[in-house]
Amino acid sequence: DAMVIQNPRYQVTQFGKPVTLSCSQTLNHNVMYWYQQKSSQAPKLLFHYYDKDFNNEADTPDNFQSRRPNTSFCFLDIRSPGLGDAAMYLCATSSATSGLYEQYFGPGTRLTVT
Amino acid sequence: DQQVKQNSPSLSVQEGRISILNCDYTNSMFDYFLWYKKYPAEGPTFLISISSIKDKNEDGRFTVFLNKSAKHLSLHIVPSQPGDSAVYFCAASDTGGFKTIFGAGTRLFVKA
Repeated sequence: DAMVIQNPRYQVTQFGKPVTLSCSQTLNHNVMYWYQQKSSQAPKLLFHYYDKDFNNEADTPDNFQSRRPNTSFCFLDIRSPGLGDAAMYLCATSSATSGLYEQYFGPGTRLTVT
Repeated sequence: DQQVKQNSPSLSVQEGRISILNCDYTNSMFDYFLWYKKYPAEGPTFLISISSIKDKNEDGRFTVFLNKSAKHLSLHIVPSQPGDSAVYFCAASDTGGFKTIFGAGTRLFVKA
């Protein structure tokens, strides 16, 4: 089955220690997104890639970076995690050429900062 | 500044009855509205959507209604089933769908 995969499902990192979250997709979608979701809150868009074009949301902290080495993979790098960065991180994909707006989500990575 | 609001954190409905989940938005420039369903330990999955030029879209037991003048949309599930118990997110997109704003979700409990 075509899908969006996120690894790891749970990640624990120390305050200030860089961490990378991974996302891969077998849907061959040209758009990939990263969302941050804190407890009982709405998922918040951090940035998205349209093919290789990176689009950062205006209020995404500089502490968050992303890489997309190819169509299938996208990474979220948190350079110096703070306690406030503990959250669920959701990766999603969509096809910009389909004319459909729905996004396909991975199961998420829950990040704990100690 | 919450552009998409789901004011009911939870809703409990008896099996077989109608579930109505509500969503309000503030930005009249939104072009497309979507509902996603989320089970525990899974990512949100797309359920149903509606373009801003329509006022109703139906897919089986699920119907979404859009009232643009009131900036309000609702999801109707008829009849509700225990398997519908999940968190439902309302979302609104700009043209192209790259900028999607989500509501905080409503947890639906369908009692057998």
